[in-house]
Amino acid sequence: AQKVTQAQTEISVVEKEDVTLDCVYETRDTTYYLFWYKQPPSGELVFLIRRNSFDEQNEISGRYSWNFQKSTSSFNFTITASQVVDSAVYFCALSDPNSGNTPLVFGKGTRLSVIA
Amino acid sequence: ETGVTQSPTHLIKTRGQQVTLRCSSQSGHNTVSWYQQALGQGPQFIFQYYREEENGRGNFPPRFSGLQFPNYSSELNVNALELDDSALYLCASRLELQGGSYEQYFGPGTRLTVT
Repeated sequence: AQKVTQAQTEISVVEKEDVTLDCVYETRDTTYYLFWYKQPPSGELVFLIRRNSFDEQNEISGRYSWNFQKSTSSFNFTITASQVVDSAVYFCALSDPNSGNTPLVFGKGTRLSVIA
Repeated sequence: ETGVTQSPTHLIKTRGQQVTLRCSSQSGHNTVSWYQQALGQGPQFIFQYYREEENGRGNFPPRFSGLQFPNYSSELNVNALELDDSALYLCASRLELQGGSYEQYFGPGTRLTVT
């Protein structure tokens, strides 16, 4: 069975600090996708990134970066120079593209509060 | 802007009643999934429809049912509402890309309160 664990329930940082959100996953599949979503107070899930299990290259997008470590089944997300607008709940999720029926399995989320 | 809309935004129902939630996605998004997100939890998969047929279901009882229509809209129906059904219900539509991958877009959700 697939499982996603986000051990950090809540994180609070001061603006401009860097923050890393942890994600550990479990799957028996050899091919899968990993995702990060942002959920602001409005409730809509905002897609941030999708990473194929065969692509272990780290990715940077502006202030966001992702560290995919297949050996430790982790897909951590770092926000550099955090801003108040980054305050939201962040979800890590897992999907198996081998089965069209397999949906995203979500972690319980990490609530990030960035204080001005 | 994801192009996925949901209605209504908020809804209050009484235990035992039935409810229908609606989702509208973009042309070409042949797969729609519904998720239930209880307060403080991650979304949980309810079911998925592809070209108007259910092709995947999570651990939810039969009183949760759905429909998908040719115009890329869909419905989630819940019968015999229970207090624990109170949650944010999210609809997600999927656009298949070349190479077998896809993009999934979520709607803003419907907040259902059962009293």
